[in-house]
This record gives sequence, structure tokens and C-alpha cells, in this order.
Amino acid sequence: NAGVTQTPKFQVLKTGQSMTLQCAQDMNHNSMYWYRQDPGMGLRLIYYSASEGTTDKGEVPNGYNVSRLNKREFSLRLESAAPSQTSVYFCASRNAGANVLTFGAGSRLTVL
Amino acid sequence: QQPVQSPQAVILREGEDAVINCSSSKALYSVHWYRQKHGEAPVFLMILLKGGEQKGHEKISASFNEKKQQSSLYLTASQLSYSGTYFCGTETDSNYQLIWGAGTKLIIKP
Repeated sequence: NAGVTQTPKFQVLKTGQSMTLQCAQDMNHNSMYWYRQDPGMGLRLIYYSASEGTTDKGEVPNGYNVSRLNKREFSLRLESAAPSQTSVYFCASRNAGANVLTFGAGSRLTVL
Repeated sequence: QQPVQSPQAVILREGEDAVINCSSSKALYSVHWYRQKHGEAPVFLMILLKGGEQKGHEKISASFNEKKQQSSLYLTASQLSYSGTYFCGTETDSNYQLIWGAGTKLIIKP
């Protein structure tokens, strides 16, 4: 099984450009999450989706939008990228009743 | 409120023991421990629930002091493969919105 797949792995944007990070899981998990990871700050939750058709804001949602396209896919969109959004982004999923997050390999985004 | 992890970093020789602490100012429902190797995704180690028992897996175990809102991760007879950054994630309710500590970098030297 592939687990959680994120694309792209690396991306460089100019300030003001937009882009979408894609995430797909093949484990039939209900809940999906988007985190950002910055040096010295650990993981911070951007948005999450408890189940297909629902999305909720996390700690740091400003500047981002999400779409839970179906049970497998959860995308993160930056409408107008800013240098402060330079970070490593992780998608994760979890099944109902379980307490284990399965993470994707991460997407490193640089905004110039 | 982000939990506080200590130490920020620790360097050990192979075979030595390590303790990593995670402390919260809020009443906790659970504490989760993950390890992340450089350039990779975090990987689950264990979870400790309020009212639960101390968890253990081979030479890695953890405890949860509910009164102090603290958890400690114990690595015994460390191996080179234990190197990485350890994160604790805390929950104040069973809503799986984890708040993560800043991480503890563990370096194991041969």
C-alpha cells in the first residue's frame, strides 16, 4: 500500500502566485489533516476534515483553503502565496476509532 | 498552548539511556509520541491516555503523570537507529486536534 501520497515534493513560488498541494490516501481513513512544520515550532494544524464533506479550521488557517474532494483526497490551496508560507507541509490521515496518524512524505514549499 | 519539551537536544553514545519530557499547562486527555528522521515524515511511537497504563515497546517506554500534566519518554540502551527528532502531541479532549511540542533532537554516536 502507498499510504499517504503528497504532491509535489518541492515547489518554489513567487509572492502572489497560487498553487494547490495534493494529498491522497488509500487506507480508507475517515479523517485527514494538513500541517505545516517550521524550524523550532513543531507541527501546526492548518485545516482538517473529520469525514468526507466536512472541513474545519485548525490553529493557523489564514491564507489557506482546503477541499475534501472525496474520501481519498484532501487538497490544500494557497491563493496568494506569501514568504511567511515558506514551510514544509505534511498531510496525514487517521481512521475512526484509531489514534495513529499516518503522514505523507511532506512537501517543501519556498515562497520568494 | 504548545506543550514544552525538554531537553531541546541531547547527544548520547550508543548504549546510553535518555529521557525526554513533555509538559503542558492544560489538563490533558492524552499524549502522543512520534519520531521524525531528517527529511522524513513523523512516525507514531505510542499514545498514553488519561487513566491508562504506562506504555512500552522494546526499549522505548513512556509514562503520563496526569496530576502534573507531564509525560516522559524513556529510551533504554539507545541504538543508532534511535537518532531523530522526537515530538509529543497533546490532546485536551478526545477530538484529535493535537497540539505539538517543538521537538527534542536526539543524536546517537557510535
